[in-house]
Amino acid sequence: GDSVTQMEGPVTLSEEAFLTINCTYTATGYPSLFWYVQYPGEGLQLLLKATKADDKGSNKGFEATYRKETTSFHLEKGSVQVSDSAVYFCALTDRAGGTSYGKLTFGQGTILTVHP
Amino acid sequence: GAVVSQHPSWVICKSGTSVKIECRSLDFQATTMFWYRQFPKQSLMLMATSNEGSKATYEQGVEKDKFLINHASLTLSTLTVTSAHPEDSSFYICSARQQATNYGYTFGSGTRLTVV
Repeated sequence: GDSVTQMEGPVTLSEEAFLTINCTYTATGYPSLFWYVQYPGEGLQLLLKATKADDKGSNKGFEATYRKETTSFHLEKGSVQVSDSAVYFCALTDRAGGTSYGKLTFGQGTILTVHP
Repeated sequence: GAVVSQHPSWVICKSGTSVKIECRSLDFQATTMFWYRQFPKQSLMLMATSNEGSKATYEQGVEKDKFLINHASLTLSTLTVTSAHPEDSSFYICSARQQATNYGYTFGSGTRLTVV
């Protein structure tokens, strides 16, 4: 079945450092890929997404490129802030008949802590 | 934007009692809703998928009689934890999928259940 593997955390960085969180996936067909962020005690918020190969999703300075050849969707940010401290989840959903009614498959999550 | 309201945000109950968690899509119709369980510092585990007007589809290993899911309308799904035990203590999160919108998953803010 489908699966998502994220780099293990926690990741601790100083403010303004460069961030990379690796994500690779295994899926049949052509999945759509997502990054979600979860702040303490809250649900998940969509950070960015990409629906086909070579698409780049971006939001709030974060970006990730859908790499089909390496089955990866690594999350990057050039300069992190303390407010970026959260748990980040990589996820995928399969496609069915041109629309996606599939469930989301999540990676294990990566805790990011940014210090001033 | 799409908003999903999950209520209550936290609840403490005694062993043997039942607890109902509501998930409402406030400004869109959700044909499909998902219920997840999240253990501390772990990823989200999909419990079940519910489609409006039909029975929920449970993931393997999830007890249907213990976790009752009802999706009676396009804006409301409920999860009832019956005869709760301390091991049911967890963070429960719902997600609603927007009708006629691809990949539009919106998450509730979660419910922290503590069974004492």
